[in-house]
Amino acid sequence: QVHLQESGPGLVKPSETLSLSCTVSGGSISNSSHYWGWIRQPPGKGLEWIGNIHYSGTAYYNPSLSSRVTISVDTSKNQFSLKVRSVTAADTAVYYCGRDSMNKWLGRQTDFWGQGTLVTVSS
Amino acid sequence: DIQMTQSPSSLSAPVGDRVTITCRASQTISVYLNWYQQKPGKAPELLIFGASSLHGGVPSRFSGSGSGTDFTLTISSLQPEDFATYYCQQTYSSPYTFGRGTRLEIK
Repeated sequence: QVHLQESGPGLVKPSETLSLSCTVSGGSISNSSHYWGWIRQPPGKGLEWIGNIHYSGTAYYNPSLSSRVTISVDTSKNQFSLKVRSVTAADTAVYYCGRDSMNKWLGRQTDFWGQGTLVTVSS
Repeated sequence: DIQMTQSPSSLSAPVGDRVTITCRASQTISVYLNWYQQKPGKAPELLIFGASSLHGGVPSRFSGSGSGTDFTLTISSLQPEDFATYYCQQTYSSPYTFGRGTRLEIK
């Protein structure tokens, strides 16, 4: 059973960079069948897809965030990471990491999720 | 971006009822539609992918249907553990957008 765990600071100051990591256990991040992604949820609101990455380094981003976001992968640690630059209060959210599985005929889906971590942007 | 419109936004029903939630895409998305269930304070969990394929371990009372722009999630007989918020998500084209959610409450 794949398990994902987010880690990183719970408080970030405005204009600084939010940095989170996701550690994968119970499976290899280098499995070519999967992408590894980030989704966020502001308090009391809905879900927003941030982006995902393949172990090869190919990454896709939500255009609304792409100018401020970088997702990277470290296969030696079985981890992937998220950086969001120049944060504001609007970036306050629970951040989830997840595993995306692909099916040629049925599309992609996030079939395993981390528990989520709340990041608050405040001075 | 493809807009996903869920209805209703909230729903109240008793245990044992049959419930249907709908999701409409702003353009055709084939069957690239997922449904997730989220309980308070927890991460979402995948229920249905590819519009109608049941994710492993999900009870058979959950079913999905649709293609193109119109999709439904049906719970055939509500159980106490089904009271949660449900989200649809399209993965036809990036960014992979979600509906705003349907909150299912006990009546």
